[in-house]
Amino acid sequence: GDSVTQMEGPVTLSEEAFLTINCTYTATGYPSLFWYVQYPGEGLQLLLKATKADDKGSNKGFEATYRKETTSFHLEKGSVQVSDSAVYFCALSLIGGAQKLVFGQGTRLTINP
Amino acid sequence: GAVVSQHPSWVICKSGTSVKIECRSLDFQATTMFWYRQFPKQSLMLMATSNEGSKATYEQGVEKDKFLINHASLTLSTLTVTSAHPEDSSFYICSARLSGETQYFGPGTRLLVL
Repeated sequence: GDSVTQMEGPVTLSEEAFLTINCTYTATGYPSLFWYVQYPGEGLQLLLKATKADDKGSNKGFEATYRKETTSFHLEKGSVQVSDSAVYFCALSLIGGAQKLVFGQGTRLTINP
Repeated sequence: GAVVSQHPSWVICKSGTSVKIECRSLDFQATTMFWYRQFPKQSLMLMATSNEGSKATYEQGVEKDKFLINHASLTLSTLTVTSAHPEDSSFYICSARLSGETQYFGPGTRLLVL
């Protein structure tokens, strides 16, 4: 079945460090890929998405490129801030049908000043 | 825009009682709403998909008679956990979708069954 595997956390970095959170997927079709972020006490928010191979999603300094050959969608940011501390979820959605989301297990990120 | 609320944010109940959780889209009409369950340090697991005015579609392994979903309007869906037991304790999250792929998530409801 369709699945998403994320880098296990928690991840702790210092401010201004480079961030990578790995995400790989397994899907029978051609999924759209998403990164959601959950700040403390809040609901999940869409961070970025990509709908086809080689697309790059970007938002708030975060980027992720849809790599079909490696079935990956790694999240990167060049210089993290304390305010980026949150839980990050990678997810896929198959085109058509109910467009259900399949989530990875989430990665908790803590940025220290 | 695209705000989704849930009520209550947390609830404690006795075993055998029923608990209702509300999910509202505050500034848009949602054609589809989803209910998820999240265990500690685990991913969100989709429980069911509901469209306004029709019966919910449950994922494999989810008991529809235990987790009753009503989607009576384009802005409100409810999840009722019937005859709750300690193993139903979890974090329940809803999302709403207007059109396209983007889902907007509520803040979640933490249920503890004693």
